[in-house]
Amino acid sequence: GQNIDQPTEMTATEGAIVQINCTYQTSGFNGLFWYQQHAGEAPTFLSYNVLDGLEEKGRFSSFLSRSKGYSYLLLKELQMKDSASYLCAVRDRRYDDMRFGAGTRLTVKP
Amino acid sequence: DTEVTQTPKHLVMGMTNKKSLKCEQHMGHRAMYWYKQKAKKPPELMFVYSYEKLSINESVPSRFSPECPNSSLLNLHLHALQPEDSALYLCASSQDRGGYEQYFGPGTRLTVT
Repeated sequence: GQNIDQPTEMTATEGAIVQINCTYQTSGFNGLFWYQQHAGEAPTFLSYNVLDGLEEKGRFSSFLSRSKGYSYLLLKELQMKDSASYLCAVRDRRYDDMRFGAGTRLTVKP
Repeated sequence: DTEVTQTPKHLVMGMTNKKSLKCEQHMGHRAMYWYKQKAKKPPELMFVYSYEKLSINESVPSRFSPECPNSSLLNLHLHALQPEDSALYLCASSQDRGGYEQYFGPGTRLTVT
């Protein structure tokens, strides 16, 4: 199976930068997704990494190191609306579909 | 149109009832998914349909029965559910299985009494 670990909760200040880490263990890694989910709403796609390195998309960036089984989501210039759960999801060659980690609940304070 | 729609938004049913959840997308996506999400937990994959054929059943009890009548529609038939089945049921679709972004519908909030 897969083991996906993320911090349960994080708090940050408006305007700051926050890094949400995700570590995984899987025998057939084939890509890693990040999704955002506001309370009571559906998840929305943020990023997909399959090769090592940093992918930047506006205020959000995602990094992957396959050798370390590690990814992070970097959020810059935090806004109050960034308060949400951030879900790391790993794709495995055996399943071909992603499986979610437990998620990190981020609270942005003024 | 990048929307996945789900009906109903809310459903309350008894343990002896039979009901169905519906999901629709018109993006031409060939993969469709059902997830179950309990409060403060991540979505758990239940079923995957690819090109209208069931590809994955994640050991879901038979009281949940999926159906894909055509490439745009996905149903989840419910029968003899238990109170612990109360959850948010999310439908999603993607261009194909694998490394493609999944688009999620707003979900059906199910309560089993």
